[in-house]
Amino acid sequence: AQKVTQAQTEISVVEKEDVTLDCVYETRDTTYYLFWYKQPPSGELVFLIRRNSFDEQNEISGRYSWNFQKSTSSFNFTITASQVVDSAVYFCALSEARTSGSRLTFGEGTQLTVNP
Amino acid sequence: DSGVTQTPKHLITATGQRVTLRCSPRSGDLSVYWYQQSLDQGLQFLIHYYNGEERAKGNILERFSAQQFPDLHSELNLSSLELGDSALYFCASSLNVGGLSGNTIYFGEGSWLTVV
Repeated sequence: AQKVTQAQTEISVVEKEDVTLDCVYETRDTTYYLFWYKQPPSGELVFLIRRNSFDEQNEISGRYSWNFQKSTSSFNFTITASQVVDSAVYFCALSEARTSGSRLTFGEGTQLTVNP
Repeated sequence: DSGVTQTPKHLITATGQRVTLRCSPRSGDLSVYWYQQSLDQGLQFLIHYYNGEERAKGNILERFSAQQFPDLHSELNLSSLELGDSALYFCASSLNVGGLSGNTIYFGEGSWLTVV
């Protein structure tokens, strides 16, 4: 069965610090997809990134970067020079190609608080 | 703005009542998903429809039902409501050509349901 673990329940940093959110996943599928979503206090779920299991290239988008390592089943998310607007709950999610269609299995989320 | 529209945004109702949540997917998206987010259960997959047909069921109660109409909008019906049904209900959509997985899944802003 698929599972996503975000061991960090809450993280608090001071503005301009770098912060890494951890995500570890379990799957028996060889083809799968990993996602990160942001949920600000207003409640909506905002898509950040999708990564295919066969593409292990790391990705950078502005202050955001993602490190995908199949060897450790991890898909970590780093925010560089954090800002107060980054305060939100961040969810890592997994979708298996074969066993569960497109349904997403979410981690428990990491509450990130960036203090001024 | 994800392009997924959900109504109503907020709903307060009494136990034992029935409510209908409505969702319009992004233009061109054939798949619609419903998720429930509660404090104790986290983000849980409820059901997936593709082009009008039910494709997968998750942890959806028998008191809940959904459908996707020919114009691709979807409705989630919640009946005999209990206090524990209070949650944020998300609709999401994706392209999923042929019903295959792997496409990005975009979420609406959610419908906050409070059962009193």
